[in-house]
Amino acid sequence: AQSVAQPEDQVNVAEGNPLTVKCTYSVSGNPYLFWYVQYPNRGLQFLLKYITGDNLVKGSYGFEAEFNKSQTSFHLKKPSALVSDSALYFCAVRGLLSGTYKYIFGTGTRLKVLA
Amino acid sequence: DAGITQSPRYKITETGRQVTLMCHQTWSHSYMFWYRQDLGHGLRLIYYSAAADITDKGEVPDGYVVSRSKTENFPLTLESATRSQTSVYFCASSDYLPSNQPQHFGDGTRLSIL
Repeated sequence: AQSVAQPEDQVNVAEGNPLTVKCTYSVSGNPYLFWYVQYPNRGLQFLLKYITGDNLVKGSYGFEAEFNKSQTSFHLKKPSALVSDSALYFCAVRGLLSGTYKYIFGTGTRLKVLA
Repeated sequence: DAGITQSPRYKITETGRQVTLMCHQTWSHSYMFWYRQDLGHGLRLIYYSAAADITDKGEVPDGYVVSRSKTENFPLTLESATRSQTSVYFCASSDYLPSNQPQHFGDGTRLSIL
């Protein structure tokens, strides 16, 4: 079955510290992986994607993500967290469901950066 | 401005009433999607459309109806609203699904059914 798991409902980190938001996936074939961010009362905004190539992907706002095929993971990272990074983060994978491509989203991880 | 807009942003209605949520995009994207967002479930796909006059069910289609007579519009109708349909609804679009392009989301409609 195609699925995405975000094992942490919430991640707390102090401002200036590195942050990691975890994502694991299960999909047949080569995965297309995405991270989105959602601020209050707004829609999801695209952060970055992995399609192929370098396992470390850089995206918007200083975020990056590391693709690990053996661990089927795609963790979101940032070297130094900002209070303004506090938001809801979603991992997604493009997978085949019932013969057609669809995007499958995780349940989201709330990131709280403490000043 | 180019983008994807949803209306209304907030809606309160009663059980049994019909309600339509509107979605309009200006990119001429082929694909459009409707999701609902509920605590603990993330985003769940209700319906999607590959092009005008082509729609298909997603993960949770029961109680919803969609149409797509024009590429830019993709309305979602709750024919007889139930309390379990209280949720935040997001419309999204993307250029070509088998490609690697991300989706673009509207800002959502918060729907409360009393």
